[in-house]
Amino acid sequence: DTAVSQTPKYLVTQMGNDKSIKCEQNLGHDTMYWYKQDSKKFLKIMFSYNNKELIINETVPNRFSPKSPDKAHLNLHINSLELGDSAVYFCASSRQGTNTGELFFGEGSRLTVL
Amino acid sequence: QQQVKQSPQSLIVQKGGIPIINCAYENTAFDYFPWYQQFPGKGPALLIAIRPDVSEKKEGRFTISFNKSAKQFSLHIMDSQPGDSATYFCAASISGYSTLTFGKGTMLLVSP
Repeated sequence: DTAVSQTPKYLVTQMGNDKSIKCEQNLGHDTMYWYKQDSKKFLKIMFSYNNKELIINETVPNRFSPKSPDKAHLNLHINSLELGDSAVYFCASSRQGTNTGELFFGEGSRLTVL
Repeated sequence: QQQVKQSPQSLIVQKGGIPIINCAYENTAFDYFPWYQQFPGKGPALLIAIRPDVSEKKEGRFTISFNKSAKQFSLHIMDSQPGDSATYFCAASISGYSTLTFGKGTMLLVSP
């Protein structure tokens, strides 16, 4: 059973389009995250979401919006896609308050904007 | 402001060698220091982690050395194997607040 699953794994789209990436975790965790990994492999946190509390990295453009229908799901919606949005997006989850900070990552969704 | 600085950016060693990856942090409130391993096409996965109350932690062939006064920690891979070829990330966080700050990663290649 996949602990953190993301769909789609690959996404190719045109500039200006709107797209969504879905994420589901079956670990019973309280906190979910979206990370962006650029071509240089740098992992940058975009959002964390815990019990309806959303913490946003201030550098993330407001074209990006997380949506959480329930505790096990955190989707990422991107409006008006730009070339610079091309990257691999990772969803992750953790158990809030475990004191370990361990993140469980999905396998990533590679977004290519043409 | 980069709170966790990682070096080198890339590293090539021969099989059996001992690659060493170094990280330095700035925020003295950090009290949890994990290393994540990422294979191509996969998400990062926790490899080993340390807290500042110990100076060294070993798990199999992987060892973390921690120097609290210098605010530095490093990963050593003993008897490295081609299967260890991956990107390694150091990270740091504050207990009870799970968001990790990652270093920029080190691409390790272990040649046969």
